[in-house]
Amino acid sequence: KQEVTQIPAALSVPEGENLVLNCSFTDSAIYNLQWFRQDPGKGLTSLLLIQSSQREQTSGRLNASLDKSSGRSTLYIAASQPGDSATYLCAVYKSGGSNYKLTFGKGTLLTVNP
Amino acid sequence: GAVVSQHPSWVICKSGTSVKIECRSLDFQATTMFWYRQFPKQSLMLMATSNEGSKATYEQGVEKDKFLINHASLTLSTLTVTSAHPEDSSFYICSARGTVRGAEAFFGQGTRLTVV
Repeated sequence: KQEVTQIPAALSVPEGENLVLNCSFTDSAIYNLQWFRQDPGKGLTSLLLIQSSQREQTSGRLNASLDKSSGRSTLYIAASQPGDSATYLCAVYKSGGSNYKLTFGKGTLLTVNP
Repeated sequence: GAVVSQHPSWVICKSGTSVKIECRSLDFQATTMFWYRQFPKQSLMLMATSNEGSKATYEQGVEKDKFLINHASLTLSTLTVTSAHPEDSSFYICSARGTVRGAEAFFGQGTRLTVV
């Protein structure tokens, strides 16, 4: 059974700092990996999706990497801003079959202090 | 593109009543829809997967008679919580995948259900 772990569970940083969020998964037979942002009481906003054949994806100040063999992904946020404060979720798509189920980690609660 | 709309965004109901939550794909055909449940400070847990025109497949431990899922069209799936109890209070989120961007799933805004 796939398990996704995110470390740290919570992180508080001053504005402007660069930071790294970590995600690990137990079964390397994944199809895709996706990072989401969730604001309190809200749904999910997709940040980056990395296909299993890719090593990284970039969008603005965000960079996500994927190492399938070691079962790890990192989300790098450059020059953090208070507006980045949210819970960041990592999810992996199960390989094989047609339904591509997602397994989520518990998330990292990020607080960026002005 | 690839917008999923979930309605209502929040609902309060009395214990013993039933509540229906709708999930619509606005600009693509959703061949598969997923329903998740999220408790405070917990991860999203998959409840069931539904393919258009077929019965939903429920995850282990999810009561299919309590959580009725209907996916009658390529743009609409509904989750009905029957005879709701306070322990059913949670955040429910749907997602849909279909004919755009391969396996990628797109998420609704979520529904906060409170049973009093």
